Amino acid sequence: EAGVTQSPTHLIKTRGQQATLRCSPISGHTSVYWYQQALGLGLQFLLWYDEGEERNRGNFPPRFSGRQFPNYSSELNVNALELEDSALYLCASSRSSSGPYEQYFGPGTRLTVT
Amino acid sequence: GENVEQHPSTLSVQEGDSAVIKCTYSDSASNYFPWYKQELGKGPQLIIDIRSNVGEKKDQRIAVTLNKTAKHFSLHITETQPEDSAVYFCAAYSGGYQKVTFGTGTKLQVIP
Repeated sequence: EAGVTQSPTHLIKTRGQQATLRCSPISGHTSVYWYQQALGLGLQFLLWYDEGEERNRGNFPPRFSGRQFPNYSSELNVNALELEDSALYLCASSRSSSGPYEQYFGPGTRLTVT
Repeated sequence: GENVEQHPSTLSVQEGDSAVIKCTYSDSASNYFPWYKQELGKGPQLIIDIRSNVGEKKDQRIAVTLNKTAKHFSLHITETQPEDSAVYFCAAYSGGYQKVTFGTGTKLQVIP
């Protein structure tokens, strides 16, 4: 069974640009979660999508947004990039629609903003 | 919102010894407590989890205990091996807030 995949592996952008990160969940999983892991910090919850709907979001500004497609893959968009957006962005998927029970993570996308 | 504290931040043990990592949480409504292992350059890997209706769960050398009254849960690794070296994160999921909160991580080093 293929795990969660993310693309690209690395992304370098300049301040003010937009970044788009992609995630494909494990087959059969309908929930997708996005997390930010800044250097030296823990994981911060960003967004939760299930069955195409945004279920919840963490304490991040509206320039962090995303969507989930009919095939359950997901996209995270970060507009008006700031230097502090530099981080590892992790996607996770779960079979459960009621919460992050048994969620599995992808390898992440390393975003660098210069 | 939920707050999760994790201790210690770093832990060094000799190969074969046990390692214990502790987390406390603040939201009494939290009902799911997973543990993740993150190796360098990789995403976190779920290693064990426990739900609030269970006090202890074991999987080979790994165990998790939960004390709902005291609002803390612990990861126990026995007979540690060098490949156990990694950063370990605890987390708590609050169904009420529908958010998962992670601890700040413990860097475990197993010395051969």
